[in-house]
Formats: sequence, C-alpha cells, structure tokens
Amino acid sequence: EIVLTQSPATLSLSPGERATLSCRASQSVGSYLAWYQQKPGQAPRLLIYDASTRATGIPARFSGSGSGTDFTLTISSLEPEDFAVYYCQQRSNWPPALTFGGGTEVEIK
Amino acid sequence: QVQLQESGPGLVKPSETLSLTCTVSGGSISSNYWSWIRQPPGKGLEWIGYFYYSGSTNYNPSLKTRVTISLDTSKNHFSLRLSSVTAADTAVYYCARHLGGYHVFDIWGQGTMVTVSS
Repeated sequence: EIVLTQSPATLSLSPGERATLSCRASQSVGSYLAWYQQKPGQAPRLLIYDASTRATGIPARFSGSGSGTDFTLTISSLEPEDFAVYYCQQRSNWPPALTFGGGTEVEIK
Repeated sequence: QVQLQESGPGLVKPSETLSLTCTVSGGSISSNYWSWIRQPPGKGLEWIGYFYYSGSTNYNPSLKTRVTISLDTSKNHFSLRLSSVTAADTAVYYCARHLGGYHVFDIWGQGTMVTVSS
C-alpha cells in the first residue's frame, strides 16, 4: 500500500502570507496526485489533480507541483476563506487503490 | 448540475450490516465512476471503494472482505453495504463522483454520520 505523509501537521500563518504544504509518497505515484480543501462540517473540495491541474473554479492562487514521490501545494497569498484542512490523495495501479494523506491544517496565526 | 445525497440509518448495532444509498440528481449514473469515502470523527479521509457503471468494482484492500457497492440505474442511485461493523466503523460517510476517467473526486455528497453502538 502506498502511504502519503503530509507535513507539517499544522501551519500557522496570517492572511496575505504564502502557504507551502508538502505531501510525500512512500513510492512513486507519477503525477497521479490530487489536493482537496475541507472546512469544518463540509465535504472536501477538489483543488488540484494530476499534480498541477486546477479543478474548475479554483482560484489561481492555488498551485500544485511535483512528481514521483514529492509534491507541494502552494497558496500564494492566503485569503480568510483559505484557512482549512488540506488533504492529498493518490491513485495507484498496483495494488489498485486510492489513498489520502493525513492532512495539514492551515490555521490563522 | 449534478448533486449527490446520502441516506440511511444513523445508528447501526455492532456485528450488523451498515447500508447507505447515494441518490444522484441532475445527471445520469450511467457514466463515470462512483465512490464511497468515510471520515471518522476528528480524523482523516479513507476511500472505501468504487463502482463503474459498466459493472466493475474496486475496493480498499483493508475493507474488501466486508464491502459491497452496487448501482441501481433505474433509480439513479448507488449503494454501500458494510458488514460486521464495529465501533471503528463509526464515521461520516460520503458518496462522490470521479472526475471523468481520473480517479479523483470532483462532486461530493454532504455526508451522513453513522454511529455503531448497541
């Protein structure tokens, strides 16, 4: 099973600052890496797929990069509505499975 | 636009079978992949499994022996059955649509809380 490790667990930042979130896979997932945002009491929202493709309606301040085992989600300038938990997710061909990372909480400093 | 809505009992007894339904509105279930995902209180997300309208399925290896996902095209909904539940199965259960042929989830239901307790 491919394990995704997200760091840091918590990121304390102020509005306007840049956020850099990391997701590391236990083995290569190619570019099959997605990012989601989840706010309390809500379902997750797809932000990025295929490592760097923004989903429909996602603002340009969200960007993804990486390939293989190391991936990054960057929020260029935090807006008040961006404070939330972020999860990465991969899909592997063998064993065929979809897994999520443990999450990074971006909190207001 | 496509919307998903989970429904089912909020309380299930240990050793029994959890059954949930996801009703799809605004679009046909006869396309795309459809998944169930869960989230224990205060914890992260766990993919349970998916069903493709053609009939193929893929389940999380850790749950495979207990899970069945099926589609009912006449009712435009899909269902989850999880057998022999324990307290560890207590979670918010989400249904979700896959984005095209990508195994990522672009549309989610609001989620339904299921508690396993006697």
